[in-house]
Amino acid sequence: GQQLNQSPQSMFIQEGEDVSMNCTSSSIFNTWLWYKQDPGEGPVLLIALYKAGELTSNGRLTAQFGITRKDSFLNISASIPSDVGIYFCAGANYGGSQGNLIFGKGTKLSVKP
Amino acid sequence: GAGVSQSPSNKVTEKGKDVELRCDPISGHTALYWYRQSLGQGLEFLIYFQGNSAPDKSGLPSDRFSAERTGGSVSTLTIQRTQQEDSAVYLCASSPSGRAPETQYFGPGTRLLVL
Repeated sequence: GQQLNQSPQSMFIQEGEDVSMNCTSSSIFNTWLWYKQDPGEGPVLLIALYKAGELTSNGRLTAQFGITRKDSFLNISASIPSDVGIYFCAGANYGGSQGNLIFGKGTKLSVKP
Repeated sequence: GAGVSQSPSNKVTEKGKDVELRCDPISGHTALYWYRQSLGQGLEFLIYFQGNSAPDKSGLPSDRFSAERTGGSVSTLTIQRTQQEDSAVYLCASSPSGRAPETQYFGPGTRLLVL
């Protein structure tokens, strides 16, 4: 099925560092979402973006909806150990009958040894 | 509980057997989705139910896969004649309506292993 290109695939973080990840698509979306998934759990929504150029924050998380509507990024500032997990971007086009999300392959955050 | 529940949490089966996976959505949610997550991959859309409308089956990978939603609530995903490549985590999500993607609440998933 269709997927988004998400990078990096994995990264190691040290407490206090800032983290950036991004997602690109060949298709336009009218909605971009960022999720976090912990082991053994389903994804949990972090941030939702609805307008090109929109910049939205949720605590230490900041995400932007690219002006081309084909990309989005997520920043995590001053990372803490509980930030480890897998982060997914997802795109959707809402307004019609379609209800599903298109997901990236995820960015795995781990703690630096 | 108040969230989406799925059962079983883990399922091991032999190649060629049929399996049924169950999803109990949040009460009152009219939209229900099934996704598949293979190891190291993102979530792949399978099927979407919205109220009494015909389901969107465009994501089902083959005719071995089918899903039902009885009474607008519980859903069952059935995989017939399972293959090893069907091994994955199957996630269910529900939403108050199909018009707002941010309100998809995910269950913990069923981990399927086909030997």
